[in-house]
Amino acid sequence: SAVISQKPSRDICQRGTSLTIQCQVDSQVTMMFWYRQQPGQSLTLIATANQGSEATYESGFVIDKFPISRPNLTFSTLTVSNMSPEDSSIYLCSVQGRSTDTQYFGPGTRLTVL
Amino acid sequence: GENVEQHPSTLSVQEGDSAVIKCTYSDSASNYFPWYKQELGKGPQLIIDIRSNVGEKKDQRIAVTLNKTAKHFSLHITETQPEDSAVYFCAASRRTGGFKTIFGAGTRLFVKA
Repeated sequence: SAVISQKPSRDICQRGTSLTIQCQVDSQVTMMFWYRQQPGQSLTLIATANQGSEATYESGFVIDKFPISRPNLTFSTLTVSNMSPEDSSIYLCSVQGRSTDTQYFGPGTRLTVL
Repeated sequence: GENVEQHPSTLSVQEGDSAVIKCTYSDSASNYFPWYKQELGKGPQLIIDIRSNVGEKKDQRIAVTLNKTAKHFSLHITETQPEDSAVYFCAASRRTGGFKTIFGAGTRLFVKA
């Protein structure tokens, strides 16, 4: 299984500011994903982070609000821009290995926007 | 669109009893079905998975069954322990036509000592 770390683990931010979340994997992976999990809810896919090209966003999520980078096969960042209290959530990085269907999740970043 | 329905939303059992969580999926192209356990303050952890060419899989106290015809799959936990208390998510995944995973809404399991 892949070992995934995320930074920061939690943060409290002011409305209107931006936060960048980092995701690091201990091995090269084919696919990296970013999810949002609102309190008491299931997992909602924000986007697929593509190495060397623009991320693929799901319906309801846009690049201006959630810019994503993936400079190599083990690292990705998600920025939550111009934050509002509605952005308070857990943000999860997830990866899928090169020759497997299995998807693993990082520990999450708990974001509170005041 | 595709969805995964998960029941029940909350389940409370006595320690030592069995717990069963059921999911139904709609995407007939789904061929991989993982289950995740999420403890408070942590990310989801894969606990067991099953592929569409298998009807049942067991790992110690945990088992998963799949009925592809009915598009149902279930998680069975036997001899439950307090540390089994968590939120459990099922998911249905496919690779054809682009990789896609749909998660259920989650089941909050309480195991009472």
